[in-house]
Amino acid sequence: KAGVTQTPRYLIKTRGQQVTLSCSPISGHRSVSWYQQTPGQGLQFLFEYFSETQRNKGNFPGRFSGRQFSNSRSEMNVSTLELGDSALYLCASSSQDRVSGANVLTFGAGSRLTVL
Amino acid sequence: AQTVTQSQPEMSVQEAETVTLSCTYDTSESDYYLFWYKQPPSRQMILVIRQEAYKQQNATENRFSVNFQKAAKSFSLKISDSQLGDAAMYFCAYRRGIQGAQKLVFGQGTRLTINP
Repeated sequence: KAGVTQTPRYLIKTRGQQVTLSCSPISGHRSVSWYQQTPGQGLQFLFEYFSETQRNKGNFPGRFSGRQFSNSRSEMNVSTLELGDSALYLCASSSQDRVSGANVLTFGAGSRLTVL
Repeated sequence: AQTVTQSQPEMSVQEAETVTLSCTYDTSESDYYLFWYKQPPSRQMILVIRQEAYKQQNATENRFSVNFQKAAKSFSLKISDSQLGDAAMYFCAYRRGIQGAQKLVFGQGTRLTINP
């Protein structure tokens, strides 16, 4: 069973540009969530999508947006990039654990964004 | 808002010995889940163990076990017989117990070094 796939793994952009990151969840998983990881702020929740609808959103500016397609694949977009957007962006998909009922998140390897 | 605190930025242990990583959290809710994730240098977040708040019994997964003290809002991770492959960043995380809730609140992490 394939894991969560994130592309690209690494990318370099300059200030003012925009970037789109992609996430393909585990087959059958309908929920996809995104996290930003930086040395200073740690891991912060960006947003979560379920069945093409944004279900929850973290405290990030409107430059950060996302969407989910009918096949559950998700993209996130950051416009007008700033130096502070340099981070590892992690995507996670989830299913419901059959025993406990808990939603178990499985993470991808991340997309490392560097803004120059 | 819920918060998660890991007071040990770094820990080290001799191979084959036991180490305990600390985590405290703050919440006013009674239904929630707690997790420990491991992030090796590859950056892939890997679920180590989870605990449902309604369960009094501490979770155990092979060499990994937790000490869940609900009243004290403490959730420590014990790693027995430490192995070189256990070296990683360890993150404690909290999730609300509401059906469908996906947002994880992470602690700042503890970097674990295993000394051969």
